[in-house]
Amino acid sequence: AQSVTQLGSHVSVSEGALVLLRCNYSSSVPPYLFWYVQYPNQGLQLLLKYTSAATLVKGINGFEAEFKKSETSFHLTKPSAHMSDAAEYFCAVTADSGAGSYQLTFGKGTKLSVIP
Amino acid sequence: EAQVTQNPRYLITVTGKKLTVTCSQNMNHEYMSWYRQDPGLGLRQIYYSMNVEVTDKGDVPEGYKVSRKEKRNFPLILESPSPNQTSLYFCASSPRTPPSQYFGPGTRLTVL
Repeated sequence: AQSVTQLGSHVSVSEGALVLLRCNYSSSVPPYLFWYVQYPNQGLQLLLKYTSAATLVKGINGFEAEFKKSETSFHLTKPSAHMSDAAEYFCAVTADSGAGSYQLTFGKGTKLSVIP
Repeated sequence: EAQVTQNPRYLITVTGKKLTVTCSQNMNHEYMSWYRQDPGLGLRQIYYSMNVEVTDKGDVPEGYKVSRKEKRNFPLILESPSPNQTSLYFCASSPRTPPSQYFGPGTRLTVL
């Protein structure tokens, strides 16, 4: 079984400030981890993914995330927030549940507001 | 243009009236899946398919059916919709495992 917990359903930051969105996961086998972004009235777009290579993963729009196995975390960061970053962010986990089958589990999402 | 398409985009129906939401991708992806998105609950996977004729239950499969007869299509069937299936539905596809997915635009379903 696998699960994802996103800490904070709403996060507000000032424009230019550090963005930190927290994600903790649970998985009985080595996981693959993802961050997605959803802008209002749109579908989800992949920001970045961890697939057992480098633990520090760089994504689009200046975001990055670090896989920390000891902390079972995959927090998303961006050094300087832009107004255009205002959106909802979802962390997701998947793992091989047997016979090459991959169920994907999402967190409940964190809505990011950027204050001018 | 590479894309995942869903139809219809909006649907209002009544309890018990069978409906199908279609999903098609033109990227030759093997992995396809369906999700529902509800406020405060995030996205929950309904069904997924690793390849043609291979489907598996996700977290919330009750009340839904799927089929994967062709690689490009993955329809979601609600045999007897109920109001608790009112939701925003997303189809997604992925070229390989682990799945990092391309999402469709969504279908907003209301069951009265």
